[in-house]
Amino acid sequence: AQSVTQPDIHITVSEGASLELRCNYSYGATPYLFWYVQSPGQGLQLLLKYFSGDTLVQGIKGFEAEFKRSQSSFNLRKPSVHWSDAAEYFCAVGAAYNFNKFYFGSGTKLNVKP
Amino acid sequence: NAGVTQTPKFQVLKTGQSMTLQCAQDMNHEYMSWYRQDPGMGLRLIHYSVGAGITDQGEVPNGYNVSRSTTEDFPLRLLSAAPSQTSVYFCASSSRQGLMNTEAFFGQGTRLTVV
Repeated sequence: AQSVTQPDIHITVSEGASLELRCNYSYGATPYLFWYVQSPGQGLQLLLKYFSGDTLVQGIKGFEAEFKRSQSSFNLRKPSVHWSDAAEYFCAVGAAYNFNKFYFGSGTKLNVKP
Repeated sequence: NAGVTQTPKFQVLKTGQSMTLQCAQDMNHEYMSWYRQDPGMGLRLIHYSVGAGITDQGEVPNGYNVSRSTTEDFPLRLLSAAPSQTSVYFCASSSRQGLMNTEAFFGQGTRLTVV
């Protein structure tokens, strides 16, 4: 069965500190992996995606993520967090050749301390 | 481009009432889908469509109907609203034109409260 696990419900980091949000997935086929960000009251915005090739992918707003097949993980990182990064982050997995069904994790809420 | 447009943004219904959440996209995407977002549960797929005239059920389809008569529109109907359907609803569209362009584009959401 397909599933995505984000083990951290809430994370608080200080502004300027580094960030890593964890994501583990279970998927029977070749996974396509995504990270989305949702600001309060807003829709979801794509940060980055992984299909194949280089396992370290760069996204918008200075985020990056690393795909580790052996660990079934796709963790999101940022070297230095800004107060504007406070939001909820969702990891998602989609199927190869099925661009319509995405499975989302439960989300991680990021709080940034000044 | 407007992208994915959802209406209304907010809605309060009484138990037993019916209503339709509207979703329209102007990107000529083949695929459209509806998700509901509940605290601590992420987004769960309700129904999806791979093209006009074709729809299928997702993870949590009970109590909802969809149809897809055009490429642009994918309305979600609540047949008889229940308090358990209080949620934030997101419509998304995506395309298979170019694998590397695949992603889901989301609307701004409809916050529905059933009392």
